[in-house]
Amino acid sequence: DIQMTQSPSTPSASVGDRVTITCRASQTALTWLAWYQQKPGKAPKLLIYKASNLATGVPSRFSGSGSGTEFTLTISSLHPDDFATYYCQQYYTYPYTFGQGTKLEIK
Amino acid sequence: EVQLVESGGALVKPGESLRLSCAASGLTFSSHSFIWVRQFPGKGLECVSFINSRASEIYYAASLEGRFSLSRDNAKSSVSLQMNSLRVEDTAVYYCATMESDGVMWGQGTQVTVSS
Repeated sequence: DIQMTQSPSTPSASVGDRVTITCRASQTALTWLAWYQQKPGKAPKLLIYKASNLATGVPSRFSGSGSGTEFTLTISSLHPDDFATYYCQQYYTYPYTFGQGTKLEIK
Repeated sequence: EVQLVESGGALVKPGESLRLSCAASGLTFSSHSFIWVRQFPGKGLECVSFINSRASEIYYAASLEGRFSLSRDNAKSSVSLQMNSLRVEDTAVYYCATMESDGVMWGQGTQVTVSS
């Protein structure tokens, strides 16, 4: 199985900050990588698919990059609505596996 | 608009069975593969099962130990997850999703609670 490791786990930031979350795969996932945002009691919301493609309706302050074993999600300027938990998921090979999550907190 | 709608979640006792369904619309169902993902109360996410477009490849998480069975009905645009011998540790929200090169779509989930 491909193991996905996210960092940092619980960063704190302020509105307006630039934030980067990293996801590392234990073996290549090529560009088959998705990023999700989740808020309490809600389903994960797709932000990025195929490593760098912005999902429909997602603000342009979100961007994804990377390939192979290292991927990043960047929020260029934090909005109050962005404080949530973020997950990466590889879907290159079954079982599709997730990172443990990054909970973005307000500083 | 692509939509995936899960149903069938419930409160059941250990050892009982449950059948979850995922109804898809707004996409060419027969050309999509589907997965079921579950999210435990502690928030961890696990991909439970995968079925390809022709149902010729079906995979299950090792943790299921053969208790779940996945099928699809292309005529009804639906995917079903049969869950047998349910355990307390199967308690989770279950999501249906399709993940392809041109996009990813999840449903809103259905709650399965296993408790005596």
